[in-house]
Amino acid sequence: DIQMTQSPSSLSASVGDRVTITCQASQDISNYLNWYQQKPGKAPKLLIYDASNLETGVPSRFSGSGSGTDFTFTISSLQPEDIATYYCQQYDNLPTFGQGTRLEIK
Amino acid sequence: QVQLVQSGSELKKPGASVKVSCKASGYTFTSYAMNWVRQAPGQGLEWMGWINTNTGNPTYAQGFTGRFVFSLDTSVSTAYLQISSLKAEDTAVYYCARDHGGSYPSWGQGTLVTVSS
Repeated sequence: DIQMTQSPSSLSASVGDRVTITCQASQDISNYLNWYQQKPGKAPKLLIYDASNLETGVPSRFSGSGSGTDFTFTISSLQPEDIATYYCQQYDNLPTFGQGTRLEIK
Repeated sequence: QVQLVQSGSELKKPGASVKVSCKASGYTFTSYAMNWVRQAPGQGLEWMGWINTNTGNPTYAQGFTGRFVFSLDTSVSTAYLQISSLKAEDTAVYYCARDHGGSYPSWGQGTLVTVSS
């Protein structure tokens, strides 16, 4: 199985801050990488697919980049409604998720 | 629009079985694979596997073979997850998620399965 190492596991930031989360794959996965947002008690929501494509309806402050083994997810200006846990997910082989990053407001 | 509606919460005793349903609407059911994802209390997302809704062929992730079975009833656009010989560690929210080229833009609301004596 391909392992996804996501960091940090938790993050505290202020409204307006630029926030970055990274995900590293245990082997080359090309751009087969998605990012999800999950709020408490809710199903995950797809934000970014194929490493860098913004899902329809998702605010442009969210972005993704990377290929191969190293990927980055960025919120350009943190908003209060962005408080959630974020997950990366690879689908190069049998899908696996990263362990998640809990984002809090400072 | 695409909707996945799952069955309600279940409380089961250890050793029992449970069957979770996921009813799809808003698209052609057999055109997209269906995935199942588990989330234990306070934990992350865990991909359980997927089922080809055209052929009915399931694929299970490591750790989800034997007691877990994916099935379909295409006549009612519904996917099912059955878990047998339930254990306390099966307590979790189970999600169905429609596949779209390897990403999951559509999810069910989740079904909480609690296993307790």
